[in-house]
Amino acid sequence: LAKTTQPISMDSYEGQEVNITCSHNNIATNDYITWYQQFPSQGPRFIIQGYKTKVTNEVASLFIPADRKSSTLSLPRVSLSDTAVYYCLVGVSTDSWGKLQFGAGTQVVVTP
Amino acid sequence: EADIYQTPRYLVIGTGKKITLECSQTMGHDKMYWYQQDPGMELHLIHYSYGVNSTEKGDLSSESTVSRIRTEHFPLTLESARPSHTSQYLCASSDPRLPRGNEQFFGPGTRLTVL
Repeated sequence: LAKTTQPISMDSYEGQEVNITCSHNNIATNDYITWYQQFPSQGPRFIIQGYKTKVTNEVASLFIPADRKSSTLSLPRVSLSDTAVYYCLVGVSTDSWGKLQFGAGTQVVVTP
Repeated sequence: EADIYQTPRYLVIGTGKKITLECSQTMGHDKMYWYQQDPGMELHLIHYSYGVNSTEKGDLSSESTVSRIRTEHFPLTLESARPSHTSQYLCASSDPRLPRGNEQFFGPGTRLTVL
C-alpha cells in the first residue's frame, strides 16, 4: 500500500473553495486514489475516487496530474457542515485483500 | 445508505471485565473489518475477515479477538478490559463485486472507556 502525505489541518471560511493536496510518490500502476470524510464520533465515509485526470461528483472534485504522484481534493463553496477530517488513500480498486491504510488525515475547519 | 450497525455506541466499564462489541451488516458483504481510533488520531486496522470462519489480525496488534460465524455478524471481544483499551472501535464492511470494490462502509463506532 502506497504511503500518503497530506497537511495536518486547513482552515476556511464558509463559501470558499478548499483544496487539499495529497502526495503519493510510490503509487503503483494499478492503484486508485480514494478520499474519505469523517465527522466527529462517526465512521469515515467514501466521498470520491479516481485513477487519473479529473473526477467530479455532487460532493467534490478530484484532480490527478499525469504522473499521479499527487492528487487534490477540491470542496467547492464549503459550509460549516464540511468541517471534518479528510483522508487520502491509495490502493487497488478491486484488491482481493480489501485492506485500506488510513493516514492521519487533514482536519478541515470551516468558520462563519 | 450503508446498513451497518454497532452496539453499544458508548460503554464505560471497570478494569477486568469481559466485553463484546457487536457489529452487524445487512448488505451481505463478505469482508468485514475492525479499526481502533484514538481521539484525533488515525485509524488502525486490528482485525479483518474475508467471510464466514475467516479471521485475520490487522496491522496493529490488539488483545481483542473476533469471530465470524455468520456473514452479517462480526463481534469483537475483550476478555479482560484495561484502561489502555480505551478508544473508539469502528466496524466496516466491503464487497469486491461492487464497482468500487475496495470501498468500505463504516458503522457509527463504539466509544469504549475502561476505568
